[in-house]
Amino acid sequence: GQQLNQSPQSMFIQEGEDVSMNCTSSSIFNTWLWYKQDPGEGPVLLIALYKAGELTSNGRLTAQFGITRKDSFLNISASIPSDVGIYFCAGRGGYGGSQGNLIFGKGTKLSVKP
Amino acid sequence: KAGVTQTPRYLIKTRGQQVTLSCSPISGHRSVSWYQQTPGQGLQFLFEYFSETQRNKGNFPGRFSGRQFSNSRSEMNVSTLELGDSALYLCASTETSGRWLYFGPGTRLTVT
Repeated sequence: GQQLNQSPQSMFIQEGEDVSMNCTSSSIFNTWLWYKQDPGEGPVLLIALYKAGELTSNGRLTAQFGITRKDSFLNISASIPSDVGIYFCAGRGGYGGSQGNLIFGKGTKLSVKP
Repeated sequence: KAGVTQTPRYLIKTRGQQVTLSCSPISGHRSVSWYQQTPGQGLQFLFEYFSETQRNKGNFPGRFSGRQFSNSRSEMNVSTLELGDSALYLCASTETSGRWLYFGPGTRLTVT
């Protein structure tokens, strides 16, 4: 079946640093979604991508739909303490409709550097 | 618009019992999906309902079931609870195109 690898699994940030994470798929996707989840809460949609090569920003967050359609990247610029949390990517091979074919990565946990 | 709401937020049950969780989607959304989230397995799709009909089902045993009402509200039921059912259960809703998936805050179920 389809697999989605998200990396890194965890990372530490210092305020002001830029952060990058990515997801790669074993097959072609037509949709990439990026979510952030805070402890005890549900994931919150950050950015949605629907076209290969698409680059979309949401404040300090920028995500790209890879041109091979098998990967996506999320960058956070000038990180701040409230950026800590778990970031998930999700990808879908079909167009809209059923959510049954939406696959989630295992998440990237962002923590503050001690 | 109010977001997706789930009740209760926390539940503690004993092995062998059954539990019912409730989800109210964003107003106007007709599709509701349920997910189980655990540290080891991540987010796993349980099932999806659209206009009161189950549209898709994940790879979970028959102890997990759900339904959707005419007002799009949804419930999921887990019978004969096992310790491994302890998890955060998330409900998500989407509009007709299905392109944007919005999650609720989840119900934290602990089975003892």
